[in-house]
Amino acid sequence: QKEVEQNSGPLSVPEGAIASLNCTYSDRGSQSFFWYRQYSGKSPELIMSIYSNGDKEDGRFTAQLNKASQYVSLLIRDSQPSDSATYLCAVRSSGGSYIPTFGRGTSLIVHP
Amino acid sequence: DAGVIQSPRHEVTEMGQEVTLRCKPISGHNSLFWYRQTMMRGLELLIYFNNNVPIDDSGMPEDRFSAKMPNASFSTLKIQPSEPRDSAVYFCASTLPRPNTEAFFGQGTRLTVV
Repeated sequence: QKEVEQNSGPLSVPEGAIASLNCTYSDRGSQSFFWYRQYSGKSPELIMSIYSNGDKEDGRFTAQLNKASQYVSLLIRDSQPSDSATYLCAVRSSGGSYIPTFGRGTSLIVHP
Repeated sequence: DAGVIQSPRHEVTEMGQEVTLRCKPISGHNSLFWYRQTMMRGLELLIYFNNNVPIDDSGMPEDRFSAKMPNASFSTLKIQPSEPRDSAVYFCASTLPRPNTEAFFGQGTRLTVV
């Protein structure tokens, strides 16, 4: 069974700090990786996608992918209280169906 | 585009009643997913349609759950009879059947079975 694992947290960081969120996955054939943010009572929304090994930066967000280690991470620089949410890691598998499999999410709390 | 549209947003029903959740995917997206989200289990895939055909329904919990996609712009998830343990948020998501594309979520239906 294809699995995506995340530490449920909560991860608590002070405003202005770097928040580091981690995710591991079991399917070595996975091809694409996504980070979604979900505010309480809302639906998940995409914040980052990454498809090849290395780093991808978008504003305050950096996604890191290491396929050999089956590891994806998200760094949030200069964390703001508005970043407080649950962050879901998602992996789209190979094999034709490309079904997105989600981790259970990490709760991030940014305190002033 | 209006995005993925789900209805109703909230549903409260009594145990034993039939519940029907509805979803309109983004136009042009021919992959559609129904997920259920709970605190205990996170986001669980219930069923996946591609080009209106159910491809993977291994996540459907039991025979009380059924899903249909009669055309490219409409899907339903039905629970009959409903039970309190079905209480959760049900999300519909759509995407293109390619790996490097994101799934877009509807606003979800919060179901409470009393």
